[in-house]
Amino acid sequence: ETGVTQTPRHLVMGMTNKKSLKCEQHLGHNAMYWYKQSAKKPLELMFVYNFKEQTENNSVPSRFSPECPNSSHLFLHLHTLQPEDSALYLCASSQEDATLNEQFFGPGTRLTVL
Amino acid sequence: AQSVAQPEDQVNVAEGNPLTVKCTYSVSGNPYLFWYVQYPNRGLQFLLKYITGDNLVKGSYGFEAEFNKSQTSFHLKKPSALVSDSALYFCAVRALDSNYQLIWGAGTKLIIKP
Repeated sequence: ETGVTQTPRHLVMGMTNKKSLKCEQHLGHNAMYWYKQSAKKPLELMFVYNFKEQTENNSVPSRFSPECPNSSHLFLHLHTLQPEDSALYLCASSQEDATLNEQFFGPGTRLTVL
Repeated sequence: AQSVAQPEDQVNVAEGNPLTVKCTYSVSGNPYLFWYVQYPNRGLQFLLKYITGDNLVKGSYGFEAEFNKSQTSFHLKKPSALVSDSALYFCAVRALDSNYQLIWGAGTKLIIKP
């Protein structure tokens, strides 16, 4: 596979469930991101990992927990979510170096919280 | 505060006509500007970027954008629209001191009618 892949593509969960989203990048990049996309709103950056160290946590509720075991894989662990957390969750990667490079996105996971 | 504005929620253009999708920004320091496109049920795809140099930037699928520092704008353009250009377009800006973060606009839905 090439690019950035995300699984599952669709997820429906109850508020008491625990689930995880998975992202994998096949581009050799050194930074990975989780975004939340809601309709007619700007993308919200949730977490940034660079060189496997979390560098940004934009005031994300603790019911979202990221994990980055290596530079190719990124997880988002979900527990006790709220209906307003329903959204498209996008993973992205980039090569952070002296050149300002664009981010490459996965297809997203459509999450519905009942 | 740093921000990006896409003043139009939707732009309608007839096939074959020129199109413009507007973006204005507010950042401290030199801006680094990006355009992305999102097709239905897909992640975002990079179109083009402005870092420095020529104010007119050419990108994928025949799109181009013009950086205007005095008007703090970075409008996306295409001389002749195709029906397949119908999608959601996002403008993003990154400031030198933003620590990897892109500031995103809310998106503009572009509809090309045959």
